Amino acid sequence: NAGVTQTPKFRVLKTGQSMTLLCAQDMNHEYMYWYRQDPGMGLRLIHYSVGEGTTAKGEVPDGYNVSRLKKQNFLLGLESAAPSQTSVYFCASSVQGAPSYGYTFGSGTRLTVV
Amino acid sequence: GQNIDQPTEMTATEGAIVQINCTYQTSGFNGLFWYQQHAGEAPTFLSYNVLDGLEEKGRFSSFLSRSKGYSYLLLKELQMKDSASYLCAVPWGGGYQKVTFGTGTKLQVIP
Repeated sequence: NAGVTQTPKFRVLKTGQSMTLLCAQDMNHEYMYWYRQDPGMGLRLIHYSVGEGTTAKGEVPDGYNVSRLKKQNFLLGLESAAPSQTSVYFCASSVQGAPSYGYTFGSGTRLTVV
Repeated sequence: GQNIDQPTEMTATEGAIVQINCTYQTSGFNGLFWYQQHAGEAPTFLSYNVLDGLEEKGRFSSFLSRSKGYSYLLLKELQMKDSASYLCAVPWGGGYQKVTFGTGTKLQVIP
C-alpha cells in the first residue's frame, strides 16, 4: 500500500541542468498535483492534472513542465534549473469530486540548485 | 484572489487544549482544509469544512464561519507528537483542483 511515491528524494543540480521528478500513485486517483514548499511561503501549486493526458498551470508554473501520460504517473520537468528553484517539491493526488478525503502527499523531493 | 492568515508559532502544554486560528479571503468559497505537517515530512490531511459549525474527529475538531471568513482547529489533550505545523488551505478558481495553502502555524508542545 505505497500511496504516493516520489523519486528521487534528494538531488543537487548545477544551474542550467535539467531533470525530471517522478511521481507515482497506486490509489487510482484522477487528480494529481505538484507543489513546491519554501520557508515562509507555504505550499504553492506549480501544475496539476485532472486526468490522463491533461495538465494545467497552477500559481507558479514558469520554468516547469509536466506530463501525465499514464493515470498513475505525473512527471515534473525542470528544463534549465535556476537557484530560485531550490525547494522541496511535493506531489499529491486526490479523488475526483471528493474533497472530504483531502490530498495524499508524497514524501517530497529536496532539490538544491547551485 | 485568495489570502490566508495564520499565526506563525504557538506553544502549548502537554495535556492542554490549543486553538489555531485561520482567516481567509477567497472569491467563491469551496470549503476549507486543515493539514498537519511534521518537520521534514509531507503534509497529512486532517479535515475539510464546507458548512458552518464545528466538526469533531477524536482529539481534533475544526470550526468554520463562512460569514466571518474564519476557521479554527482545536486540539484537545495535547500530546508531544502533536508538535508540528498546521496548514490552513482553501480551494480557488472553482472546483477543488487548485488549493492555496497558508504558511502554517508551528505548534510546539512542551511538557
